[in-house]
Amino acid sequence: EADIYQTPRYLVIGTGKKITLECSQTMGHDKMYWYQQDPGMELHLIHYSYGVNSTEKGDLSSESTVSRIRTEHFPLTLESARPSHTSQYLCASSDDFYNEQFFGPGTRLTVL
Amino acid sequence: GESVGLHLPTLSVQEGDNSIINCAYSNSASDYFIWYKQESGKGPQFIIDIRSNMDKRQGQRVTVLLNKTVKHLSLQIAATQPGDSAVYFCAETLFSGSARQLTFGSGTQLTVLP
Repeated sequence: EADIYQTPRYLVIGTGKKITLECSQTMGHDKMYWYQQDPGMELHLIHYSYGVNSTEKGDLSSESTVSRIRTEHFPLTLESARPSHTSQYLCASSDDFYNEQFFGPGTRLTVL
Repeated sequence: GESVGLHLPTLSVQEGDNSIINCAYSNSASDYFIWYKQESGKGPQFIIDIRSNMDKRQGQRVTVLLNKTVKHLSLQIAATQPGDSAVYFCAETLFSGSARQLTFGSGTQLTVLP
């Protein structure tokens, strides 16, 4: 199994709360990614990172922000959660853009 | 939340039969392709990959075929087993400037019938 972890696995929270979804990998990968996936739907890239202190927005516009202060850590933050943010968020990493991405188990977020 | 994209197509096969899952990719410049399997409640898992200089690649019980002329990718699973039930995504990537981006297809829900 891949050494990439996400916490929490499930989160139910009220509107207006600030939340941070954690993602860590122990493989020393430079490239990390966040995807959003609604149930039964395709994955959409919302953020990615080339390495420390580098972050880029993905194909799907998102109100979330990310940071990459350490190689192994790529947290995603929502300053003020809204019901429209309800979704599954998947983190992934790879040692190169040209290679396979290893995925974490995902965080299922529900905003009431 | 607001749904993005399309609902997944489905494929049902009898246990022991072969499965063929198809994918149309969007960019003729894409040069690397991956098939992922996603079981319920889990993140996607790598199955097999293929580069654009190949048209066929075989793994254990799986074969990927690439037809660049029509931008089509297929995944063949031999002797399908109940554990193969999952959503299967193809992904394409191309070199764009100084970086690559992986773009996922819409996925197919495979159900293996006893």
